[in-house]
Amino acid sequence: QVQLQGSGPGLVKPSETLSLTCTVSSGSVSSDTYYWSWVRQPPGKGLEWIGYISYSGGSNYNPSLMSRVTISVDTSKNQLSLRLSSVTAADTALYYCARNHCIGGSCPGAFDLWGQGTMVTVSS
Amino acid sequence: SYELIQPPSVSVSPGQTANITCSGRKLREKYACWYQQKPGQSPVLVIYQDNKRPSGIPERFSGSKSGSTAILTISGTQAMDEADYYCQAWDRSTAVFGTGTKVTVL
Repeated sequence: QVQLQGSGPGLVKPSETLSLTCTVSSGSVSSDTYYWSWVRQPPGKGLEWIGYISYSGGSNYNPSLMSRVTISVDTSKNQLSLRLSSVTAADTALYYCARNHCIGGSCPGAFDLWGQGTMVTVSS
Repeated sequence: SYELIQPPSVSVSPGQTANITCSGRKLREKYACWYQQKPGQSPVLVIYQDNKRPSGIPERFSGSKSGSTAILTISGTQAMDEADYYCQAWDRSTAVFGTGTKVTVL
């Protein structure tokens, strides 16, 4: 059964870069059936999509975060990564990695599998 | 920017039907998905492509669409269905989540 395991620092200083990793187990990040996304949720608030990367390496980001976000994939480690630069307190959130299932060729598709979430606090 | 609007809360008695709406411009032309999130847990997909149920999701969860409003229906609501529910759609390759609805089973 495929599982997503996020990891990374729980505390980041303002103006620095947030870096998280998501390891995909019992599955491949290179599968042409899936895209891979990051989604965040500030404490007590709703879900916000950050961006995705496709099986071919193409990516797309939330316009509100585009200037600060990079999502990448390391196929040798079966991992996806998130980098968010110049963070502020507003970036404090639970960060989820999630899988998008391309069904019937419709990509990116629904978020059909989620990691457990990594809480990141931005504070000096 | 694209928005999906949901009612903040819905209350339902055990065994009754809960309907959660999600409204968005031109939503009739997009697929809608629905996610259930219980406190302290990751979201779970309960409906995709408007009305399809993933394996393992109980039959009491169903999805439909009326014009530009997507609807999640929970029939015979159980106490375990108390959770936050989010709709989601793609707008020009950008994922948008709804504002979220807290379902309370009284």
